[in-house]
Amino acid sequence: DGGITQSPKYLFRKEGQNVTLSCEQNLNHDAMYWYRQDPGQGLRLIYYSQIVNDFQKGDIAEGYSVSREKKESFPLTVTSAQKNPTAFYLCASSSTPALRDEQFFGPGTRLTVL
Amino acid sequence: AQSVTQPDIHITVSEGASLELRCNYSYGATPYLFWYVQSPGQGLQLLLKYFSGDTLVQGIKGFEAEFKRSQSSFNLRKPSVHWSDAAEYFCAVGSFIAGNMLTFGGGTRLMVKP
Repeated sequence: DGGITQSPKYLFRKEGQNVTLSCEQNLNHDAMYWYRQDPGQGLRLIYYSQIVNDFQKGDIAEGYSVSREKKESFPLTVTSAQKNPTAFYLCASSSTPALRDEQFFGPGTRLTVL
Repeated sequence: AQSVTQPDIHITVSEGASLELRCNYSYGATPYLFWYVQSPGQGLQLLLKYFSGDTLVQGIKGFEAEFKRSQSSFNLRKPSVHWSDAAEYFCAVGSFIAGNMLTFGGGTRLMVKP
């Protein structure tokens, strides 16, 4: 089945540690996205990639980093510089960056900083 | 900058009753508008979208939405709610100016009474 997988589903981190969230898609999509979701705030864009080997900052990129070395993979690293990293993280992809192309979402990773 | 407001944080309706979820947007040009649904702890699924043409759009699961330019609104409706519709609903606006990115509202949590 084609789709987007995110791992792990739950992640716990101690303060001061970096952690990497995985996002893989087998839909052959060019564009991939990372969103952060906090209660009552909807989704906010962290980073996006319109094509392999390229990525752009979204609205809240500070304290995060990404890479896009392969078309199917777009890992997100939450660094110790992110002041309030506890949140639900969603990865999405679309066939192209065009608005007409639906963004498909993965099941999410819930990160808790202890 | 574009923005989306969902005035109702929580809504409770009885099963079989009609539903309307409100969405107001701020955007300088003709917007691309979307409604997504999220079940607890899951990713988002696209219900419907408006790009141009007929202002009443039909979506999946019996949902529809009407674009009203004069009111800057894109309200989601369903004539008869089912218990399985209990979820969180997000309205989003897409912008060519912002690199084809989506801006999401804060969400409305729908509860369905038996």
